[in-house]
Amino acid sequence: QSALTQPASVSGSPGQSITISCTGTSSDVGGYNYVSWYQQYPGKAPKLMISDVNKRPSGVSNRFSGSKSGNAASLTISGLQAEDEAVYYCSSFTSSSTWVFGGGTKLTVL
Amino acid sequence: ELQLVESGGGLVQPDRSLRLSCAASGLSFEYYAMHWVRQAPGKGLEWVSGISWNSGSIVYADSVKGRFTISRDNAKNSLYLQMNSLRPEDMALYYCIKDSTAMVTGGFDIWGQGTMVTVSS
Repeated sequence: QSALTQPASVSGSPGQSITISCTGTSSDVGGYNYVSWYQQYPGKAPKLMISDVNKRPSGVSNRFSGSKSGNAASLTISGLQAEDEAVYYCSSFTSSSTWVFGGGTKLTVL
Repeated sequence: ELQLVESGGGLVQPDRSLRLSCAASGLSFEYYAMHWVRQAPGKGLEWVSGISWNSGSIVYADSVKGRFTISRDNAKNSLYLQMNSLRPEDMALYYCIKDSTAMVTGGFDIWGQGTMVTVSS
């Protein structure tokens, strides 16, 4: 159960778009459309932002979108806002019927 | 309001046991799968275990398999994690989480605030 690979950090200016990648294998990301993304502020519990690769839960801004190609998934945030500064984690269902997370990506809004 | 409240964390010596509990309110607990996810201080998220709505499907991370046992009591709207043979590397904030589906395949859509487990002699 190796962790999914995410960049340690990304940054962008307000109004810009950024993309966070999440790379796995055919046994997880590539094998299932069960990829989720979570946002976590310091000292707070994570919040579900995207499930099933590209589904936004009720209440999540449409500035957040998800996609997948092969063994890699991506989270795109458009119209970047200061409040988007947080750590983002991807996760995927695996062939062992378990879940695996990425190491997390710290988003800095410049 | 949908809420998950964890309890049972604390300081425990290595090789000892601890039982975490999670009380659910404001949701139809019995219809959804549940999970435990942990986060060591300053580290990322690690999925620990999941259980389907009827306890028919139970899965564990390799790191806890054989030591931890997940269970649920739908009549009491409660989720549990029995942790045996605790190791220093088990020290973390443990989150109770609701799955968006009845099986363990959905997004983790509701999170508790976590209960801290400290393993130290």
